[in-house]
Amino acid sequence: KAGVTQTPRYLIKTRGQQVTLSCSPISGHRSVSWYQQTPGQGLQFLFEYFSETQRNKGNFPGRFSGRQFSNSRSEMNVSTLELGDSALYLCASRTTGLVNEQFFGPGTRLTVL
Amino acid sequence: DAKTTQPNSMESNEEEPVHLPCNHSTISGTDYIHWYRQLPSQGPEYVIHGLTSNVNNRMASLAIAEDRKSSTLILHRATLRDAAVYYCILSNQGGKLIFGQGTELSVKP
Repeated sequence: KAGVTQTPRYLIKTRGQQVTLSCSPISGHRSVSWYQQTPGQGLQFLFEYFSETQRNKGNFPGRFSGRQFSNSRSEMNVSTLELGDSALYLCASRTTGLVNEQFFGPGTRLTVL
Repeated sequence: DAKTTQPNSMESNEEEPVHLPCNHSTISGTDYIHWYRQLPSQGPEYVIHGLTSNVNNRMASLAIAEDRKSSTLILHRATLRDAAVYYCILSNQGGKLIFGQGTELSVKP
């Protein structure tokens, strides 16, 4: 079974631009969660999508948004990029249920100049 | 979200057992205890989870205190590949994991 894939793996943008990151979950997984990892703040939860609906949201400004498609693939978008948005963005997928292990992708490394 | 407290770092010798502690005094009755680890330059990887009873899997064992206010992840024979940051996480919402700073485990040959 293929793992979680994320594209692109690396991205360089400038302040003020917007960016879209993509995540393809493991086949059969309907839940996709997004996380941001920075040296200063560590791993922080952004949001979770299930069946095309946002189910949980972390404490991030509205510039961070996401969506999920009917095939469970997910995208996250960051508008009006700031230098502090430079981070590793990780997505994770899981099957449904209250407690299931999350499978993480390799991440997208975003650098904002 | 309930918080966990872990030591910042620990050292171990290869092929010896490792006990990684985690305190979670504000755990609620519905919180599961999860452990994930993150190897260098990789995304986090699930290790184990439990609710009340001790749990074993091929990677590790999880020992949960009777009052559930602390737990210990046990790696039975550490290998160099086990060098990673280990996160202890409380969650009752499967898709939402709140990571703390974790414990950086180094393994000496």
